[in-house]
Amino acid sequence: GAGVSQSPRYKVAKRGQDVALRCDPISGHVSLFWYQQALGQGPEFLTYFQNEAQLDKSGLPSDRFFAERPEGSVSTLKIQRTQQEDSAVYLCASSLGGTGYQTFFGQGTRLTVV
Amino acid sequence: EDKVVQSPLSLVVHEGDTVTLNCSYEVTNFRSLLWYKQEKKAPTFLFMLTSSGIEKKSGRLSSILDKKELFSILNITATQTGDSAVYLCAFIIQGAQKLVFGQGTRLTINP
Repeated sequence: GAGVSQSPRYKVAKRGQDVALRCDPISGHVSLFWYQQALGQGPEFLTYFQNEAQLDKSGLPSDRFFAERPEGSVSTLKIQRTQQEDSAVYLCASSLGGTGYQTFFGQGTRLTVV
Repeated sequence: EDKVVQSPLSLVVHEGDTVTLNCSYEVTNFRSLLWYKQEKKAPTFLFMLTSSGIEKKSGRLSSILDKKELFSILNITATQTGDSAVYLCAFIIQGAQKLVFGQGTRLTINP
């Protein structure tokens, strides 16, 4: 595709609900990243995939957060039993081969937990 | 703990002014520093700086890195209302595949 595509753009979830956020990276990009951006803050790293392998998940804040990229292309970030502190913009990014290459970001999904 | 601090956090200027945004860092195993512009949601890449003292330039924007004093600046000359955005700096450390971002500077250009 022309750019990194994320869906949905906006998601409102009731506390305790499970949500799934989708990321479609640029075609051919090996590396995929998820970041969480709270209001007024810079993005914070969540996890990194190289093809289908999740090589770094050190930024996932709890075991309620789970990410997958089963075929090395589309990725899904799942949050179970959402809590109010999960409210943030979730940004997906991709690059040809890691951070040494230019990283392109999607528009993000704004998650609001009520 | 690695950290990056941006200043000022917020800046309001008039169209045509020149602005300088600051980014200081304390990072072990530093590899590169990057600047991004974030207008609505998607940060867009501006510069990647790896070597000290070499200015990167793109139109009215320029940036330089000082690895001895551990900071970088982003200059914007002849500002336009379209420059209004949050400007983020981030660094990459050796052996890690992630960007560590600062809090950002919110720049507002008034006509």
